[in-house]
Amino acid sequence: AQSVTQLDSHVSVSEGTPVLLRCNYSSSYSPSLFWYVQHPNKGLQLLLKYTSAATLVKGINGFEAEFKKSETSFHLTKPSAHMSDAAEYFCVVRVIQGAQKLVFGQGTRLTINP
Amino acid sequence: DTEVTQTPKHLVMGMTNKKSLKCEQHMGHRAMYWYKQKAKKPPELMFVYSYEKLSINESVPSRFSPECPNSSLLNLHLHALQPEDSALYLCASSHETGASSGANVLTFGAGSRLTVL
Repeated sequence: AQSVTQLDSHVSVSEGTPVLLRCNYSSSYSPSLFWYVQHPNKGLQLLLKYTSAATLVKGINGFEAEFKKSETSFHLTKPSAHMSDAAEYFCVVRVIQGAQKLVFGQGTRLTINP
Repeated sequence: DTEVTQTPKHLVMGMTNKKSLKCEQHMGHRAMYWYKQKAKKPPELMFVYSYEKLSINESVPSRFSPECPNSSLLNLHLHALQPEDSALYLCASSHETGASSGANVLTFGAGSRLTVL
């Protein structure tokens, strides 16, 4: 079964420092992977997606992620954190069972310290 | 228009009430989804509609009844809910439900926060 595991439930960084949110995936074939962000009391916004094209994927707001098949990882990074980045981040894999389903990781809460 | 609009934003209902959540999109998407998100948990899929036909029902209790009257609208009818059904209900849409296209990205609405007393 396809799944994703987010390795940290909470990450705290200082403003202006790099951000690393870790995600490992499990899949029997080349997966479609996504990162979504959810700000408090808001819906989900797509940050970026990997669909077997370039392994380094650039997203919105300066985020990027690298698909590493050898490590079954799809970590999310940003060179310099901003206060507005504080949110919940979900790593997501697309599963096809008749129709497409998104299977979410447990989420990582990102806190930015001033 | 690149949005999914959900109404109401907040809903409080008793266990004997009947209410509905509504979702609308005008992006020409032919697939629509309902997700349920409990506090501090990830979203969980409830239903998928493809071309106005129900494609996936994730064993959701019958007190939740989805309806897709046309390709732009998705409703979730609620009846005899329990307090544990209190959650954020998220609607999403995508071009289609198939895997072949990277364009099949889900666009989510802001959600309807439901409280069952």
